Amino acid sequence: QKEVEQNSGPLSVPEGAIASLNCTYSDRGSQSFFWYRQYSGKSPELIMFIYSNGDKEDGRFTAQLNKASQYVSLLIRDSQPSDSATYLCAVEIEGTSYGKLTFGQGTILTVHP
Amino acid sequence: GAVVSQHPSWVICKSGTSVKIECRSLDFQATTMFWYRQFPKQSLMLMATSNEGSKATYEQGVEKDKFLINHASLTLSTLTVTSAHPEDSSFYICSASGTGKNIQYFGAGTRLSVL
Repeated sequence: QKEVEQNSGPLSVPEGAIASLNCTYSDRGSQSFFWYRQYSGKSPELIMFIYSNGDKEDGRFTAQLNKASQYVSLLIRDSQPSDSATYLCAVEIEGTSYGKLTFGQGTILTVHP
Repeated sequence: GAVVSQHPSWVICKSGTSVKIECRSLDFQATTMFWYRQFPKQSLMLMATSNEGSKATYEQGVEKDKFLINHASLTLSTLTVTSAHPEDSSFYICSASGTGKNIQYFGAGTRLSVL
């Protein structure tokens, strides 16, 4: 069983719409959750991190965490074609001292004009 | 802030040669650095975790004698692929953490092609 699961997509949304990306994880003790964006041929870049239940907003991005359901999501409002990329959900592995992460397989997002 | 520099960005080498990849944290002290490998259309696979001044911890299935990792200072880690073969061709990415929140910041990656 995979530890971090994402729908690989592709998820296609029109420009200006809300894109909703979802991630579930298996380790109930996980405390830290991260969303990275990866453009084709490039390395991941951090979008947001969230530690507590609830929502965290940063500009057009909102991360949502529900530890009881072991579910974390990323909402992108007013989606732009430049948001087209693969979005990686990462979960910190409980019990590791150094912030080791497990990554999901990524969701491919396409925003079409 | 939190800039990680990785060099080279692209390297082509002959089978049997060794290749060294450098990863530097430019504006923070990286207590921990991570090395990943990514094959086309796949997610990141962690190869090893390195802490400054100590031996790297390798993930299961990663040959430590083939992928040599050195983390001699708080700003520099190196990955050496020894006796590279075509199956080692991949995208190698380092990340560094040390800002106090266990956030990993990634280098730009190194695309290795072994002929």
